[in-house]
Amino acid sequence: ETGVTQTPRHLVMGMTNKKSLKCEQHLGHNAMYWYKQSAKKPLELMFVYNFKEQTENNSVPSRFSPECPNSSHLFLHLHTLQPEDSALYLCASSPREGALNEQFFGPGTRLTVL
Amino acid sequence: AQSVTQLDSQVPVFEEAPVELRCNYSSSVSVYLFWYVQYPNQGLQLLLKYLSGSTLVKGINGFEAEFNKSQTSFHLRKPSVHISDTAEYFCAVSRMDSSYKLIFGSGTRLLVRP
Repeated sequence: ETGVTQTPRHLVMGMTNKKSLKCEQHLGHNAMYWYKQSAKKPLELMFVYNFKEQTENNSVPSRFSPECPNSSHLFLHLHTLQPEDSALYLCASSPREGALNEQFFGPGTRLTVL
Repeated sequence: AQSVTQLDSQVPVFEEAPVELRCNYSSSVSVYLFWYVQYPNQGLQLLLKYLSGSTLVKGINGFEAEFNKSQTSFHLRKPSVHISDTAEYFCAVSRMDSSYKLIFGSGTRLLVRP
């Protein structure tokens, strides 16, 4: 596969469940990002990893826990979520951090919390 | 802090007509400017970007945008749209320093009708 892939594409979970979102990039990039896209709201940056090190946590609640085992993979572990956490979660990657580095986005995981 | 305003949440237009999607930004420092497109069930894709130089920027799929510093605007235009241009369009800014953060607008849905 090429580009940025995300699995699963759709996820329905209860508030007491634990689940994980997976992102994989095949572009040789060193920076990876998690964004939250809610209806009628701007994309919200959640986390940034650069060379496997977390460089940004944008005041995200602790029920969201990211993990970056290597530069190609990024996970978002979910537990005890709330219905307002229902959204499209987008992963992106770029050669490295920095505004001049174009970010490439995956198709997203549509999350519904019941 | 930076902010991006896309006043039009939806723009309906007939096929082969011209279109302009408006974007205004606010920032105390100089910024880079971007337009991204999101087709249904897909991630975001970079359309074009303004980094420096000519204020008229040409992107993919026949789109162009003009940076107007005095009006703090970066409107997106296309002289003749196609059905396949139906998508969500996001304007974004980033500080002209080492920051990687993209600040997005809330998006404009372009609906092209036959």
